[in-house]
Amino acid sequence: SQQGEEDPQALSIQEGENATMNCSYKTSINNLQWYRQNSGRGLVHLILIRSNEREKHSGRLRVTLDTSKKSSSLLITASRAADTASYFCATAIQGAQKLVFGQGTRLTINP
Amino acid sequence: EAQVTQNPRYLITVTGKKLTVTCSQNMNHEYMSWYRQDPGLGLRQIYYSMNVEVTDKGDVPEGYKVSRKEKRNFPLILESPSPNQTSLYFCASSWRTGTYNEQFFGPGTRLTVL
Repeated sequence: SQQGEEDPQALSIQEGENATMNCSYKTSINNLQWYRQNSGRGLVHLILIRSNEREKHSGRLRVTLDTSKKSSSLLITASRAADTASYFCATAIQGAQKLVFGQGTRLTINP
Repeated sequence: EAQVTQNPRYLITVTGKKLTVTCSQNMNHEYMSWYRQDPGLGLRQIYYSMNVEVTDKGDVPEGYKVSRKEKRNFPLILESPSPNQTSLYFCASSWRTGTYNEQFFGPGTRLTVL
């Protein structure tokens, strides 16, 4: 099965609310990265958290990493219509030049 | 503008007709890689390259070839395309430490093999 699995697969919220997406993985990692993809377009890097970090912020984004549970979460606060996109977590496998992506969470922000 | 470019963006071809998808980056990145994206499967790595003349297989290399003769270019070659290679393909680049840093993605190439 996939190294990175995301939950939920789809999320629909009202503009202004917070959105939380979760990612679980199986093996040891060097870092975990979150990307955004607007429909059928290229992926845009959002944030990278290293295995020795527990929390990281970037603007309205907050990422947490729990290596003991092999899980991460992405929180988007005060959501906007422009945040509508698919969000992917990607784990950089320790000791290998491999970035393994989850299946993504489809986020819809309703005006 | 720092970017990764791919050509063509859209391609419809027939089974067995050799094709090349080009990828070029202008950020002087050592690391480049190719992914394919399929519904329900996320992105899967096809090949990657740590530097010029250094390439290695990813998770799904069967049916694909790559070359890295210049630092900026990393073409993906399908010698004999088959319908199961119909997919959305992305090229990405990064610095010397590869996946230990953020990846910069191209806009994607949508390939249909009939």
